[in-house]
Amino acid sequence: QSALTQPASVSGSPGQSITISCTGTTSDIGGYNYVSWYQQHPGKAPKLIIYDVTKWPSGVSNRFSGSKSGNTASLTISGLQAEDEADYYCSSYRSTSTVEFGGGTKLTVL
Amino acid sequence: QLQLQESGPGLVKPSETLSLTCTVSGGSISSSSYYWGWIRQPPGKGLEWIGNVYYSGTTYYNPSLKSRLTISVDTSKNQFSLKLSSMTAADTAVYYCARPIGTFYSIFDYWGQGILVTVSS
Repeated sequence: QSALTQPASVSGSPGQSITISCTGTTSDIGGYNYVSWYQQHPGKAPKLIIYDVTKWPSGVSNRFSGSKSGNTASLTISGLQAEDEADYYCSSYRSTSTVEFGGGTKLTVL
Repeated sequence: QLQLQESGPGLVKPSETLSLTCTVSGGSISSSSYYWGWIRQPPGKGLEWIGNVYYSGTTYYNPSLKSRLTISVDTSKNQFSLKLSSMTAADTAVYYCARPIGTFYSIFDYWGQGILVTVSS
């Protein structure tokens, strides 16, 4: 069981926006602004799309955005495209000098 | 462009020790700015952080694996390695090496392609 809780699946139609939540505790998400999000297509390595809650790595579309409130972080994807269909994972630094990942959310573009 | 490549056996017997190596190209593993890390993913399941290592040898491990785990660096070969002992079927996974960055080295910006390790007799 993952320390960070994500919904198992979300779906949306092309052009719509969706939000994926990631809930932790005061020892991880709530205590630090070190939340990251990764996109993983089948058979591929994860790709960093958001770090430090809201920042974009170079080359990542600004259709992806991150936020945090209390112990819950969120990833919003706007203007859904077919290629956004993938698994999404959140992660956070934890006070025990460790890294936690969420269980992953499968995004289906209808 | 930094590249990471995992290598090692694809099949390990129960109770044996897994040894994996990650070869870094396009950059020096001895850079004072970076740690190096391992993450795994059981088939059909989520990601699990295994641990990070600094070029000097400083390590941070997942507490659930710490008693079986050793991560080390070989700066002469620009490689870092993972050894996980007492393997069981629960350790069957794709193992990724990656570069952690950020204040607490919890952000993984470069990943290897991954190597599937199956534990079976």
